Parts: sequence; C-alpha cells; structure tokens
Amino acid sequence: QKEVEQDPGPLSVPEGAIVSLNCTYSNSAFQYFMWYRQYSRKGPELLMYTYSSGNKEDGRFTAQVDKSSKYISLFIRDSQPSDSATYLCASGYSTLTFGKGTMLLVSP
Amino acid sequence: ETGVTQSPTHLIKTRGQQVTLRCSSQSGHNTVSWYQQALGQGPQFIFQYYREEENGRGNFPPRFSGLQFPNYSSELNVNALELDDSALYLCASSPTGFMNTEAFFGQGTRLTVV
Repeated sequence: QKEVEQDPGPLSVPEGAIVSLNCTYSNSAFQYFMWYRQYSRKGPELLMYTYSSGNKEDGRFTAQVDKSSKYISLFIRDSQPSDSATYLCASGYSTLTFGKGTMLLVSP
Repeated sequence: ETGVTQSPTHLIKTRGQQVTLRCSSQSGHNTVSWYQQALGQGPQFIFQYYREEENGRGNFPPRFSGLQFPNYSSELNVNALELDDSALYLCASSPTGFMNTEAFFGQGTRLTVV
C-alpha cells in the first residue's frame, strides 16, 4: 500500500463548479499536509498547507484534514479554466510523501 | 514564481554517463530536497540536506548522491545513468530544517536518458 493514495483522474467539470479533490494516507505519524498545483511541464506550486486536523481556507480554496480517517481534501469553489492542472497532495513529518496527482480539467 | 532556480532546464544523456543537476534555494532557506517525478507520477523523495548535511534519504540507490554548499545551493549527481532515470528532477527549499512547512519548488530539470 502506498503511503499517500490519490485518484489520478482526469476529473472534468464545467466552469463555476465546485471541485472536490481527495487523498488518503496510511502513516499515522504524518502531521503536515499540503496541496500543490502543477501545470504541464512546470514545478509544483504550493497552494495550501495544514498542520494536523482541521480546515483552512484561502480565497476559493479550502483544505480539510481528518486524521481519524486519514483523509485529505481540497475544495475549489467557482472553478475557472485556469484551474486546469494536476493537483498533488503531500503529507509527512520531516519529509514529504506525494500522491500521484489528480488531473483537473475545467471547461469554459 | 518561487526563488528556487534549477539548471539546466533540459538535458539529454546517454546510458552509463554521469550527470550533475544544480539548484539555488530561495533566499533564507537552509533546507533543500530533491525529488524525481516520472511521467504521470507524483514526485518521489530522493534526499534532503540541512546546513550541508544529509538528513533524510528516500529509496534510491547510492549512485544518486548530493551536496549542499555553504550558501545552501545544492547539487544532485547521478552516476551510471539508466533509461529509467529519465524524469523531471525537482528541487525544493524550506526555511525550517524540515520539508514539512512552506516547501517551494523550482521548475525542474527534465533529464532524458537514451
């Protein structure tokens, strides 16, 4: 079992939709949780960072961590075509373990 | 754009050769990690350096080695290149000693082994 699992998609939604992206992790020691956005042939860009359980909101993005179920979520409200990218979840304690990434396609 | 810069951006090498990739960390960041991202996969942790010392290593063979310099820039060296080493190599830097907070990535070096 991989330490961080993520559905690769692609996930296709119309512009304006609410997008839900999810990951699960297996290591109970993980304390830090991140979401990165990666455009094609570019490096990952940090979107959200959360420590332990709870919610964090930043503009149209909300990150949720449920440590009891080892479940990580990213919600994108009012999705835009410019949100089309691969979204990587990552978690860890001193280093980061990444999921495979979910490709999101937002159509105008 | 982050302050993490990597060079070169693209590289083609022949199987069996050696390669050196370079990374300049963001100003004020003392921790650098290297990741390998194969096509369609998430980044895989290679190793991490904190103040010139390796303080974490992933499941990569010894032919993957690295250095961190006093200015916190870093090199990744790969010896005896194999076809499966073809990937995007990413460098990330962090200010905290661990890659668990605000880790910022460079644009990557795309290595092709033929």
